[in-house]
Amino acid sequence: DAGVIQSPRHEVTEMGQEVTLRCKPISGHNSLFWYRQTMMRGLELLIYFNNNVPIDDSGMPEDRFSAKMPNASFSTLKIQPSEPRDSAVYFCATGMRGAGQPQHFGDGTRLSIL
Amino acid sequence: GNSVTQMEGPVTLSEEAFLTINCTYTATGYPSLFWYVQYPGEGLQLLLKATKADDKGSNKGFEATYRKETTSFHLEKGSVQVSDSAVYFCALSDPYGGTSYGKLTFGQGTILTVHP
Repeated sequence: DAGVIQSPRHEVTEMGQEVTLRCKPISGHNSLFWYRQTMMRGLELLIYFNNNVPIDDSGMPEDRFSAKMPNASFSTLKIQPSEPRDSAVYFCATGMRGAGQPQHFGDGTRLSIL
Repeated sequence: GNSVTQMEGPVTLSEEAFLTINCTYTATGYPSLFWYVQYPGEGLQLLLKATKADDKGSNKGFEATYRKETTSFHLEKGSVQVSDSAVYFCALSDPYGGTSYGKLTFGQGTILTVHP
């Protein structure tokens, strides 16, 4: 079975450019989570959705960050404009709501803002 | 709120040594508990889980027992291999019926390095 698919795997761009990260969840999963991982701050939850509806975006660092989930099989995380401090690995994870249900992570997008 | 505390790393062991990574948690009710592993350049992978008190999760020689009385979920392996070198995360999720929709609370991660 296909796991969580993220694209691109690597992104290098200049400060000020718009960056769009993409995630395809595992079919049938109804919760989707976006994380950011850095050496300094560790793993941070940015936003999560249930049944395509944003539930909690309190982890989104600034208004420059936005996320959408237009349907059950696709989500985007957008940074506009990007800054060097946004450089990190961004993970998408999906799962089912319910006791003991784990999250399944994609391989991440390594983002470098020059 | 919920929280997870892991032993500070990094942890460095020789091959075939015994491994323990401590994890304690704070939560209301009866959360589910997880251990995830992250290999270099990859996402987090579920290693094992336990959903109720006294349950033991196990996988690939790793074990952890859900201890409600000590609010702990320590990870153990009897004989580590070089290939076990990775970052290990302890996590918990709210009990079923909560409003968190499967949200996980993670510990800070413990780096394990195993030398030949």
